[in-house]
Amino acid sequence: TQLLEQSPQFLSIQEGENLTVYCNSSSVFSSLQWYRQEPGEGPVLLVTVVTGGEVKKLKRLTFQFGDARKDSSLHITAAQPGDTGLYLCAGAGSNYQLIWGAGTKLIIKP
Amino acid sequence: NAGVTQTPKFQVLKTGQSMTLQCAQDMNHEYMSWYRQDPGMGLRLIHYSVGAGITDQGEVPNGYNVSRSTTEDFPLRLLSAAPSQTSVYFCASSYSGGSQETQYFGPGTRLLVL
Repeated sequence: TQLLEQSPQFLSIQEGENLTVYCNSSSVFSSLQWYRQEPGEGPVLLVTVVTGGEVKKLKRLTFQFGDARKDSSLHITAAQPGDTGLYLCAGAGSNYQLIWGAGTKLIIKP
Repeated sequence: NAGVTQTPKFQVLKTGQSMTLQCAQDMNHEYMSWYRQDPGMGLRLIHYSVGAGITDQGEVPNGYNVSRSTTEDFPLRLLSAAPSQTSVYFCASSYSGGSQETQYFGPGTRLLVL
């Protein structure tokens, strides 16, 4: 069974600080996605990574896919209150199914 | 484009009642899916469809039925509601279901079963 574990489960930091959240598995994934979900809304795609070792940047957010395609990280530089939300990773499973992590709840305090 | 729409936004049911959660998309996507989201457990796939007339079970299908008579609509039916079905339900769609495609989510239906 493929599983994705996200850590930490919860993170509360001050505006301006840097942070990294992780998405780990013992399984290899052909691709991995990161979504952000705000309260009362559905998840919204941030990025898709496909190649082992790939790094993608989205403004202050940096996403990395592990060389072995078993893990990924999301680094936020100079966090802002607008970054608050639930960050979910999802890996490609079989039969049109995505494998989802439980998420990291991030709160950025002004 | 409205994207993915879901109705109702909130619902309270008594144990044993049935109901249908509605989902529609206007992006002409072939793939649609239903998830439930519970605290600490992430998103769990209930049922999915790769096109009109085709449905399949996901990770947690028991107690739920689906049908896909049109490309646009993918309703989820709770046959006999149980307290364990208290959750937030999300409908999602993508172009063809490929793992690298963007999943577009609706705003969710919050269901409480008493």
